[in-house]
Amino acid sequence: GAVVSQHPSWVICKSGTSVKIECRSLDFQATTMFWYRQFPKQSLMLMATSNEGSKATYEQGVEKDKFLINHASLTLSTLTVTSAHPEDSSFYICSARMGGQPQHFGDGTRLSIL
Amino acid sequence: GENVEQHPSTLSVQEGDSAVIKCTYSDSASNYFPWYKQELGKGPQLIIDIRSNVGEKKDQRIAVTLNKTAKHFSLHITETQPEDSAVYFCAASLGGNQFYFGTGTSLTVIP
Repeated sequence: GAVVSQHPSWVICKSGTSVKIECRSLDFQATTMFWYRQFPKQSLMLMATSNEGSKATYEQGVEKDKFLINHASLTLSTLTVTSAHPEDSSFYICSARMGGQPQHFGDGTRLSIL
Repeated sequence: GENVEQHPSTLSVQEGDSAVIKCTYSDSASNYFPWYKQELGKGPQLIIDIRSNVGEKKDQRIAVTLNKTAKHFSLHITETQPEDSAVYFCAASLGGNQFYFGTGTSLTVIP
């Protein structure tokens, strides 16, 4: 089945650091990738939608200068949390889909900012 | 926008019994309804989905029903096993693009 790989799975860093998270579709070409944020015991909250080769569309309330998204190829999207602070600590999950197919999710990245 | 509600938030069943999770949605234009299983520390995994032109879909022990008129859909798991224990999320979508997720149901199957 469709596989989406996310890296790293867990990152701990100091406040003020920028952190990059990668999302790769391993066996299909992802025309669209999505980035979600999930707080403990809560549902997934869509942050942004990105189509290959174009700028990401951010959900209301998500700072695009804080959360930089790049979808440079059909198999790779990156989310960079710039100047991360403790309140940015969360579980970040990407998903990818090809055309009209269902979204497939990565295993998430746990971000802990000290 | 779409609003998806999910009940119950927690559910405990004895091994072998059935489990039912229900979701309602608000936007009648939504036409795609996937269900995801999320285990601790992992991303959601698609377990079954249904489109609005179908009323019921079954895959082994898992089934989903959709009532478009009432705008609700349900997940049914029969003959539950301990490995079914996880958090389950429903979602509603128009065309499979933007998903609106329910708040999740933590299912515990007691051996």
